[in-house]
Amino acid sequence: AQKITQTQPGMFVQEKEAVTLDCTYDTSDPSYGLFWYKQPSSGEMIFLIYQGSYDQQNATEGRYSLNFQKARKSANLVISASQLGDSAMYFCAMREPNAGKSTFGDGTTLTVKP
Amino acid sequence: DGGITQSPKYLFRKEGQNVTLSCEQNLNHDAMYWYRQDPGQGLRLIYYSQIVNDFQKGDIAEGYSVSREKKESFPLTVTSAQKNPTAFYLCASSLHGRSSGANVLTFGAGSRLTVL
Repeated sequence: AQKITQTQPGMFVQEKEAVTLDCTYDTSDPSYGLFWYKQPSSGEMIFLIYQGSYDQQNATEGRYSLNFQKARKSANLVISASQLGDSAMYFCAMREPNAGKSTFGDGTTLTVKP
Repeated sequence: DGGITQSPKYLFRKEGQNVTLSCEQNLNHDAMYWYRQDPGQGLRLIYYSQIVNDFQKGDIAEGYSVSREKKESFPLTVTSAQKNPTAFYLCASSLHGRSSGANVLTFGAGSRLTVL
């Protein structure tokens, strides 16, 4: 069974508006980490934000916030005030400490329109 | 500046040839990883190493080999047994291996392999 599911292959958003990228995950491990990475057209992966399974509050990093709903096993990325430079592919990933590795979703391509 | 260096950036291979992709990090990270990415798709784990002289197969290890003789280096060899090797290859590292869930991956710029 796929451990990370991103159901939106592509998304469009108007510049300066907010957008939510969906991510659901599956694990039986009580301790895990959830991550979002951005991949521009250049190909390099850039870390955006991290949420630990025991964290009580949703993580925020500048314009990025993670809407963590543990009971629903979802970890959606919210980008506020979208900019043209936000156009990229976005990946949700999960790390289970006992596994010693990270699993990635299939990604969502975000296009910001001027 | 600390980071991960992958080389070459572009590589062309004839069928039947082995090729080796280089990955070097100066971040003093314990763990290193190789991922494969096909166009428009996510990352799939090939091999990973949590400490020197030890490595584990990922989800798609067939046709690939690795070594971890030094903490800084984790080269990937794409062998002739890999039937469809044309892809984008990303090397990554993280501070710790097994112990922590809060292990952010730092990535290299990638190597694009094309089989002629």
